[in-house]
Amino acid sequence: DAGITQSPRYKITETGRQVTLMCHQTWSHSYMFWYRQDLGHGLRLIYYSAAADITDKGEVPDGYVVSRSKTENFPLTLESATRSQTSVYFCASRGLSSYEQYFGPGTRLTVT
Amino acid sequence: KQEVTQIPAALSVPEGENLVLNCSFTDSAIYNLQWFRQDPGKGLTSLLLIQSSQREQTSGRLNASLDKSSGRSTLYIAASQPGDSATYLCAVREDSSYKLIFGSGTRLLVRP
Repeated sequence: DAGITQSPRYKITETGRQVTLMCHQTWSHSYMFWYRQDLGHGLRLIYYSAAADITDKGEVPDGYVVSRSKTENFPLTLESATRSQTSVYFCASRGLSSYEQYFGPGTRLTVT
Repeated sequence: KQEVTQIPAALSVPEGENLVLNCSFTDSAIYNLQWFRQDPGKGLTSLLLIQSSQREQTSGRLNASLDKSSGRSTLYIAASQPGDSATYLCAVREDSSYKLIFGSGTRLLVRP
Protein backbone atom coordinates (compact mmCIF):
# COMPACT_ATOMS: atom_id res chain seq x y z
CA ASP A 1 0.00 0.00 0.00
CA ALA A 2 1.23 3.44 -0.84
CA GLY A 3 1.69 5.98 1.88
CA ILE A 4 2.86 5.74 5.43
CA THR A 5 2.04 2.79 7.66
CA GLN A 6 2.65 1.99 11.30
CA SER A 7 2.69 -1.31 13.14
CA PRO A 8 1.40 -2.51 15.43
CA ARG A 9 -1.70 -0.34 15.65
CA TYR A 10 -2.27 -1.36 19.28
CA LYS A 11 0.21 -2.68 21.81
CA ILE A 12 0.04 -3.52 25.49
CA THR A 13 3.31 -4.14 27.27
CA GLU A 14 4.62 -4.35 30.80
CA THR A 15 6.89 -1.92 32.58
CA GLY A 16 10.54 -2.64 31.89
CA ARG A 17 10.03 -4.45 28.60
CA GLN A 18 11.56 -3.36 25.34
CA VAL A 19 9.13 -2.55 22.56
CA THR A 20 9.65 -1.38 19.00
CA LEU A 21 7.17 0.58 16.96
CA MET A 22 7.56 0.37 13.21
CA CYS A 23 7.06 3.05 10.58
CA HIS A 24 7.27 2.53 6.84
CA GLN A 25 6.74 5.00 4.00
CA THR A 26 6.63 4.33 0.29
CA TRP A 27 7.31 7.85 -1.01
CA SER A 28 11.08 7.82 -0.45
CA HIS A 29 10.66 10.95 1.65
CA SER A 30 13.88 12.27 3.12
CA TYR A 31 12.47 13.41 6.44
CA MET A 32 10.75 11.22 8.99
CA PHE A 33 9.43 12.08 12.43
CA TRP A 34 8.09 10.45 15.56
CA TYR A 35 5.53 12.26 17.72
CA ARG A 36 3.60 11.29 20.80
CA GLN A 37 0.13 12.59 21.52
CA ASP A 38 -1.12 12.96 25.07
CA LEU A 39 -4.12 14.69 26.55
CA GLY A 40 -3.12 18.11 27.75
CA HIS A 41 0.14 18.14 25.81
CA GLY A 42 -0.91 17.83 22.20
CA LEU A 43 1.64 16.34 19.81
CA ARG A 44 5.27 16.49 20.81
CA LEU A 45 8.26 15.59 18.70
CA ILE A 46 10.35 12.69 19.99
CA TYR A 47 12.96 12.20 17.26
CA TYR A 48 13.40 13.08 13.63
CA SER A 49 15.59 12.03 10.75
CA ALA A 50 16.71 14.06 7.76
CA ALA A 51 18.00 11.06 5.79
CA ALA A 52 19.22 7.51 6.23
CA ASP A 53 21.70 7.29 9.11
CA ILE A 54 20.95 10.87 10.22
CA THR A 55 18.79 11.29 13.31
CA ASP A 56 18.32 14.01 15.90
CA LYS A 57 16.46 14.58 19.14
CA GLY A 58 13.18 16.38 19.37
CA GLU A 59 11.41 17.81 22.37
CA VAL A 60 10.95 14.61 24.43
CA PRO A 61 13.62 12.04 23.46
CA ASP A 62 14.41 10.51 26.86
CA GLY A 63 13.71 6.78 27.02
CA TYR A 64 13.52 6.35 23.25
CA VAL A 65 15.95 5.16 20.61
CA VAL A 66 15.63 5.45 16.83
CA SER A 67 17.50 4.19 13.84
CA ARG A 68 17.27 4.78 10.11
CA SER A 69 19.28 2.27 8.14
CA LYS A 70 16.91 2.52 5.17
CA THR A 71 15.15 5.60 3.86
CA GLU A 72 11.72 4.01 4.04
CA ASN A 73 11.86 2.73 7.62
CA PHE A 74 12.12 4.60 10.89
CA PRO A 75 11.60 2.32 13.92
CA LEU A 76 11.15 3.74 17.41
CA THR A 77 12.31 1.63 20.35
CA LEU A 78 11.40 2.03 23.98
CA GLU A 79 14.34 0.33 25.67
CA SER A 80 12.66 -0.13 29.05
CA ALA A 81 9.03 0.93 28.89
CA THR A 82 7.55 3.05 31.67
CA ARG A 83 3.92 3.89 32.43
CA SER A 84 4.60 7.51 31.45
CA GLN A 85 5.22 6.27 27.91
CA THR A 86 1.61 5.18 27.56
CA SER A 87 0.51 7.32 24.62
CA VAL A 88 -0.48 7.39 20.98
CA TYR A 89 2.56 7.48 18.74
CA PHE A 90 2.49 8.99 15.27
CA CYS A 91 5.05 8.68 12.54
CA ALA A 92 5.24 11.33 9.82
CA SER A 93 7.27 12.00 6.72
CA ARG A 94 8.07 14.90 4.41
CA GLY A 95 9.76 15.13 1.06
CA LEU A 96 12.96 17.10 0.61
CA SER A 97 11.30 19.85 -1.38
CA SER A 98 7.84 19.51 0.11
CA TYR A 99 6.34 21.71 2.78
CA GLU A 100 3.73 19.34 4.15
CA GLN A 101 4.14 16.54 6.65
CA TYR A 102 2.08 13.38 6.14
CA PHE A 103 1.09 11.29 9.11
CA GLY A 104 0.60 7.60 9.69
CA PRO A 105 -2.50 6.19 11.44
CA GLY A 106 -0.82 5.97 14.85
CA THR A 107 0.06 3.26 17.37
CA ARG A 108 -1.75 3.21 20.68
CA LEU A 109 0.69 1.94 23.31
CA THR A 110 -0.31 1.01 26.84
CA VAL A 111 2.35 0.25 29.43
CA THR A 112 1.00 -1.59 32.46
CA LYS B 1 10.28 29.10 23.01
CA GLN B 2 7.46 28.91 20.49
CA GLU B 3 4.04 28.15 21.93
CA VAL B 4 0.91 27.47 19.91
CA THR B 5 -2.53 27.95 21.42
CA GLN B 6 -5.92 27.03 20.07
CA ILE B 7 -9.11 28.47 21.45
CA PRO B 8 -11.73 27.23 22.07
CA ALA B 9 -10.79 23.71 23.09
CA ALA B 10 -14.23 22.49 22.04
CA LEU B 11 -17.01 23.86 19.90
CA SER B 12 -20.53 22.62 19.14
CA VAL B 13 -22.55 24.18 16.32
CA PRO B 14 -25.70 23.32 14.37
CA GLU B 15 -25.34 22.09 10.83
CA GLY B 16 -25.10 24.82 8.21
CA GLU B 17 -23.39 27.37 10.41
CA ASN B 18 -20.23 29.16 9.30
CA LEU B 19 -17.51 28.94 11.93
CA VAL B 20 -14.01 30.13 12.73
CA LEU B 21 -11.30 28.24 14.57
CA ASN B 22 -8.44 30.20 16.06
CA CYS B 23 -4.74 29.51 16.36
CA SER B 24 -2.17 31.82 17.93
CA PHE B 25 1.60 31.53 18.20
CA THR B 26 4.09 33.46 20.30
CA ASP B 27 7.03 33.85 17.91
CA SER B 28 6.22 35.39 14.53
CA ALA B 29 9.40 34.02 12.91
CA ILE B 30 7.65 31.06 11.35
CA TYR B 31 8.33 29.34 8.05
CA ASN B 32 4.78 28.13 7.50
CA LEU B 33 1.61 27.10 9.32
CA GLN B 34 -0.35 23.95 8.67
CA TRP B 35 -3.91 23.01 9.59
CA PHE B 36 -4.75 19.36 10.20
CA ARG B 37 -7.87 17.37 10.85
CA GLN B 38 -7.88 14.37 13.19
CA ASP B 39 -10.77 11.94 13.40
CA PRO B 40 -11.14 9.83 16.57
CA GLY B 41 -8.62 7.01 16.64
CA LYS B 42 -7.07 8.11 13.37
CA GLY B 43 -3.99 9.93 12.18
CA LEU B 44 -3.72 13.52 11.04
CA THR B 45 -4.87 14.68 7.63
CA SER B 46 -3.35 17.84 6.24
CA LEU B 47 -6.00 20.40 5.26
CA LEU B 48 -4.17 23.57 4.34
CA LEU B 49 -0.63 24.91 4.49
CA ILE B 50 0.14 28.62 4.44
CA GLN B 51 3.64 29.85 3.74
CA SER B 52 4.88 32.76 5.83
CA SER B 53 4.68 35.03 2.76
CA GLN B 54 1.02 34.17 2.13
CA ARG B 55 -2.07 35.67 3.68
CA GLU B 56 -4.55 32.88 3.01
CA GLN B 57 -5.22 29.53 1.40
CA THR B 58 -8.52 28.04 0.29
CA SER B 59 -9.68 24.50 -0.32
CA GLY B 60 -13.37 23.92 -0.95
CA ARG B 61 -15.34 25.13 2.06
CA LEU B 62 -12.16 25.78 4.03
CA ASN B 63 -10.24 29.02 4.16
CA ALA B 64 -7.18 29.58 6.30
CA SER B 65 -5.68 32.99 6.94
CA LEU B 66 -2.36 33.98 8.44
CA ASP B 67 -1.31 37.21 10.14
CA LYS B 68 2.32 36.72 11.09
CA SER B 69 2.75 40.10 12.74
CA SER B 70 -0.01 39.44 15.24
CA GLY B 71 0.81 35.74 15.59
CA ARG B 72 -2.60 34.51 14.49
CA SER B 73 -4.21 32.14 12.05
CA THR B 74 -7.86 31.32 11.53
CA LEU B 75 -9.56 28.39 9.84
CA TYR B 76 -12.93 29.32 8.40
CA ILE B 77 -15.37 26.51 7.64
CA ALA B 78 -18.36 27.49 5.53
CA ALA B 79 -21.73 25.77 5.72
CA SER B 80 -20.60 23.22 8.29
CA GLN B 81 -21.74 19.59 7.98
CA PRO B 82 -21.87 16.72 10.49
CA GLY B 83 -18.99 15.14 8.57
CA ASP B 84 -16.81 18.10 9.59
CA SER B 85 -16.92 16.85 13.19
CA ALA B 86 -13.32 16.17 14.20
CA THR B 87 -10.43 17.71 16.07
CA TYR B 88 -8.64 20.48 14.18
CA LEU B 89 -4.98 21.10 14.91
CA CYS B 90 -2.72 23.87 13.80
CA ALA B 91 1.05 23.56 13.71
CA VAL B 92 3.83 26.01 12.94
CA ARG B 93 7.16 25.27 11.39
CA GLU B 94 9.84 27.64 12.58
CA ASP B 95 12.53 29.12 10.38
CA SER B 96 15.46 26.83 9.62
CA SER B 97 13.80 23.92 11.36
CA TYR B 98 12.09 20.74 10.25
CA LYS B 99 10.04 20.64 13.38
CA LEU B 100 6.33 21.28 13.71
CA ILE B 101 5.02 22.73 16.95
CA PHE B 102 1.40 21.84 17.54
CA GLY B 103 -1.48 23.45 19.33
CA SER B 104 -3.70 21.28 21.52
CA GLY B 105 -6.52 21.35 18.99
CA THR B 106 -10.16 22.37 18.83
CA ARG B 107 -12.70 19.56 19.05
CA LEU B 108 -15.57 20.41 16.72
CA LEU B 109 -19.03 18.86 16.82
CA VAL B 110 -21.50 19.76 14.09
CA ARG B 111 -25.01 18.75 15.17
CA PRO B 112 -27.47 17.58 12.50
